[in-house]
Amino acid sequence: DIVMTQTPLSSPVTLGQPASISCRSSQSLVHSDGNSYLSWLQQRPGQPPRLLIYKISNRFSGVPDRFSGSGAGTDFTLKISRVEAEDVGVYYCMQATQFPYTFGQGTKLEIK
Amino acid sequence: EVQLVESGGDLVQPGGSLRLSCVASGFTFSNYAMSWVRQAPGKGLEWVSTISDSGGSTYYADSVKGRFTISRDNSKNTLYLQMNSLRAEDTAVYYCAKRDGGAWGQGTLVTVAS
Repeated sequence: DIVMTQTPLSSPVTLGQPASISCRSSQSLVHSDGNSYLSWLQQRPGQPPRLLIYKISNRFSGVPDRFSGSGAGTDFTLKISRVEAEDVGVYYCMQATQFPYTFGQGTKLEIK
Repeated sequence: EVQLVESGGDLVQPGGSLRLSCVASGFTFSNYAMSWVRQAPGKGLEWVSTISDSGGSTYYADSVKGRFTISRDNSKNTLYLQMNSLRAEDTAVYYCAKRDGGAWGQGTLVTVAS
């Protein structure tokens, strides 16, 4: 199984400041079709997960442009350019390159 | 608007069975592979199972293989998860989701306890 490791697990951030979450996979996420199926999900308190980024760097419909994804191979990053109060929640990376699909442990974003 | 609505969660005794349903609307259900993902209380997300758009291919986490069965009825825009031989560690909110993660239901709670 591909193990997804996120850092940090908790991230206190000041409103208006940037935030960054890293995700490392135990093996390359490059699929035989050439795509890397690495997604970022946001889960606000009491809500289901919501897709933010797919295939490393593609912003999903309706996602604010302050969210961006980058990376390649086994190392990936989610960046929030300026944190807003509504960004509080837990962020997960997820790989769907190979079954079983696997998630990172989650990073809790909170406001200082 | 894309919508996924799960139902069927309940309190069940260890060893019991349950069938979850997920009704989809707002998109062409038969064109998309679908997944079940669960979240134990206070824990992270765990992928459970995925089924191809036609239903011809299914995939399971080792933790549920042989006990859970995923299926779909494209004529009813409905995804199912048949859960047998339930254990305490299956207690979780179960979400259905488009395989690409672009849509998630609100979840249905399954509690396995005596």
